[in-house]
Amino acid sequence: AQSVTQLDSQVPVFEEAPVELRCNYSSSVSVYLFWYVQYPNQGLQLLLKYLSGSTLVKGINGFEAEFNKSQTSFHLRKPSVHISDTAEYFCAVTRDYNQGGKLIFGQGTELSVKP
Amino acid sequence: DTGVSQDPRHKITKRGQNVTFRCDPISEHNRLYWYRQTLGQGPEFLTYFQNEAQLEKSRLLSDRFSAERPKGSFSTLEIQRTEQGDSAMYLCASSLAGEGNTIYFGEGSWLTVV
Repeated sequence: AQSVTQLDSQVPVFEEAPVELRCNYSSSVSVYLFWYVQYPNQGLQLLLKYLSGSTLVKGINGFEAEFNKSQTSFHLRKPSVHISDTAEYFCAVTRDYNQGGKLIFGQGTELSVKP
Repeated sequence: DTGVSQDPRHKITKRGQNVTFRCDPISEHNRLYWYRQTLGQGPEFLTYFQNEAQLEKSRLLSDRFSAERPKGSFSTLEIQRTEQGDSAMYLCASSLAGEGNTIYFGEGSWLTVV
């Protein structure tokens, strides 16, 4: 079975500083990886996804993530954050996209950007 | 394209009552998912449909929960004899079947059982 661990429950950071949100996964088979963002009282919006190919994935809003198979990690980064990036971020994994594609989520990381 | 639509957005009900949530997926999407999210947690998979067929159900989906997608378009999630532990946000999502296709989420339906 797959599982996802987000190593930080809360990450406070000042505006314009860089940020990294950490995600590790466990799976005995190849997986597909995702980062979603959730603003207060809203649903989830896809930031980026890794299916195959280049291990550096670029997403919306200036975010990027790097897939590291040997370390089973998929950390999310942004070089300079804005106040508007304050939200909950979820890392997710799915094993077999063609067999349903259900997502297994981590517990989330609350990013708080301070002026 | 208005995205995934859920109704109602908020529901407060008394313990023991039945509640029903509706989800309208993106129109051409043949897969539809239900997830549950409690405060401070990530979403947990409940069930999914491909067209009108319910292909997988989580163990989280007790016999008080039933989901339907009768014509392969909208879906309903009914909770019978609600309990306080059912209080959560119920998220619907949809996608096209196939590798690489994004799963799009609705804004969720908040349930509070008092």
